[in-house]
Amino acid sequence: GENVEQHPSTLSVQEGDSAVIKCTYSDSASNYFPWYKQELGKRPQLIIDIRSNVGEKKDQRIAVTLNKTAKHFSLHITETQPEDSAVYFCAAPEGSSYKLIFGSGTRLLVRP
Amino acid sequence: NAGVTQTPKFQVLKTGQSMTLQCAQDMNHNSMYWYRQDPGMGLRLIYYSASEGTTDKGEVPNGYNVSRLNKREFSLRLESAAPSQTSVYFCASSPGGNEQFFGPGTRLTVL
Repeated sequence: GENVEQHPSTLSVQEGDSAVIKCTYSDSASNYFPWYKQELGKRPQLIIDIRSNVGEKKDQRIAVTLNKTAKHFSLHITETQPEDSAVYFCAAPEGSSYKLIFGSGTRLLVRP
Repeated sequence: NAGVTQTPKFQVLKTGQSMTLQCAQDMNHNSMYWYRQDPGMGLRLIYYSASEGTTDKGEVPNGYNVSRLNKREFSLRLESAAPSQTSVYFCASSPGGNEQFFGPGTRLTVL
């Protein structure tokens, strides 16, 4: 089955700096890679996703890159703001199934 | 649209008691999911239903049962609750293989 590993588990950055979170996956048949943001006490919400036919996708200050050969994908947040402070989860499907396997999460703290 | 709703929001059980967590979505999604979230362990899939009439096991199905009552509703049952099932439970729905929309969660404590 799919195994998703996420690093780092915690990340502290100064406001305005960039943050990068990395994930690796094991199932070469996986074709969809979402990132979720979860604020304290709230539900996870999708912030960006990428499919296996592209290498990079951007949405304002957020970008995701995918390296299918190395089986890893990364979340990049530029010009971080205090409201970016949250737990971020990556995920990958088990093959082409509907089962999403989540990473263990990264707690991002943006210091004002 | 309410999106994905879950009841109850909070629940305290004693060991051995049973209960059913309810989930409903009004987005006409085909797929629905149940996850548990423990501190520092991310989201783990308990069961999912790819379409009405089908259910499949996820990563941690032991101790749980599910019912896809119709396209809108997907319930999770604990037959004999154990302290190890203390967790936050999230229901989610998806049009099929893509973005999952999560409910607000149920915080369950088993004493």
